[in-house]
Amino acid sequence: EAGVTQFPSHSVIEKGQTVTLRCDPISGHDNLYWYRRVMGKEIKFLLHFVKESKQDESGMPNNRFLAERTGGTYSTLKVQPAELEDSGVYFCASSPGGALTYEQYFGPGTRLTVT
Amino acid sequence: GQSLEQPSEVTAVEGAIVQINCTYQTSGFYGLSWYQQHDGGAPTFLSYNALDGLEETGRFSSFLSRSDSYGYLLLQELQMKDSASYFCAVRRGAAGNKLTFGGGTRVLVKP
Repeated sequence: EAGVTQFPSHSVIEKGQTVTLRCDPISGHDNLYWYRRVMGKEIKFLLHFVKESKQDESGMPNNRFLAERTGGTYSTLKVQPAELEDSGVYFCASSPGGALTYEQYFGPGTRLTVT
Repeated sequence: GQSLEQPSEVTAVEGAIVQINCTYQTSGFYGLSWYQQHDGGAPTFLSYNALDGLEETGRFSSFLSRSDSYGYLLLQELQMKDSASYFCAVRRGAAGNKLTFGGGTRVLVKP
């Protein structure tokens, strides 16, 4: 079974540019999450999808961040325009529904550097 | 606010036992999870405690005391491959699907 995949693995962009990160969850997982780890800080929750619907987006830092989940499958996280403080590692995770919802499977992350 | 405290670093030798403590202060607590992350890799789920007590999974065990807002991860028979960062994370949120992470404990295993 394939795990959670993320693309790209690294991205270097200039301040003011736009970047789109992609996450493919484990097949059949209804729950999809985005997290971010900024240098020296803890991993922080950004948002949670159940299928194609946003269940919780309380962690999204501001309206420069836009997340979508097309047809309840893969998800994209767009940052527009990027700022220096957006640099960090963006993790995607997925989990099945029901009793095993607590076990979140993480992808390897996308390392974003904004210069 | 929400906070989880865990030691920043622990060093031990192969074959030893290491206990990583985690104290938390959060709202909407559902349970405590533990994740392992090797450098450059994905956080990997290790264990989850929703109720008080000890959960054992092979060489790793996890404990939770809800009344003390405290838990720990016990790594036994340490191996070199156990060198990694270990995170405690509280499962919270309206549906219990939001993880709030601690800062991580870097475990270094020496020969």
